Amino acid sequence: NAGVTQTPKFQVLKTGQSMTLQCAQDMNHNSMYWYRQDPGMGLRLIYYSASEGTTDKGEVPNGYNVSRLNKREFSLRLESAAPSQTSVYFCASSGTGFFPNTGELFFGEGSRLTVL
Amino acid sequence: QKEVEQNSGPLSVPEGAIASLNCTYSDRGSQSFFWYRQYSGKSPELIMSIYSNGDKEDGRFTAQLNKASQYVSLLIRDSQPSDSATYLCALSFGGYQKVTFGIGTKLQVIP
Repeated sequence: NAGVTQTPKFQVLKTGQSMTLQCAQDMNHNSMYWYRQDPGMGLRLIYYSASEGTTDKGEVPNGYNVSRLNKREFSLRLESAAPSQTSVYFCASSGTGFFPNTGELFFGEGSRLTVL
Repeated sequence: QKEVEQNSGPLSVPEGAIASLNCTYSDRGSQSFFWYRQYSGKSPELIMSIYSNGDKEDGRFTAQLNKASQYVSLLIRDSQPSDSATYLCALSFGGYQKVTFGIGTKLQVIP
């Protein structure tokens, strides 16, 4: 049972390059999320998708775009990478997306991104 | 003011003791509350969820919620070295699906 799968696990970019982080879940979950985690900052929400066809900004959306391709897949794109985007990125999904299950997240293994 | 406040620690407790982790939040509209555990270099995993005032027990873990005082706590009884991790408090607002995390408290259980 794969759960939430993120690719790539590691990536090094130069400033100004673009890339897409891919995320797929096989649990038939409605909601999907992208977080970044930095030392001393905790998990900060970048974007989330409550259901297929919808996306909403989180706490730190600047410099990112997302696509909810279908119910299974939610990608995160960096159009012009900056050193400030060096971080560990986590994709997560949750079940029904409705109270009270909201917040019971299943996480991928994370993608470590370094921007030089 | 951050929506979810936690002391980053580290909190050190001897093996077999009770570890008490605390979290406060600012928005009274918060509906659902969660504790996640994150081992170093790994992804977070859900260990407890609580939705109504009072205590909820699951094995060695007890979550406590006090909405009037806007705090959530996690007690770990008979702490083990394997409990050494960062514990993240999180909340959501019910139907809005946004989930907000605190910075996490690092727990060290000393053998």
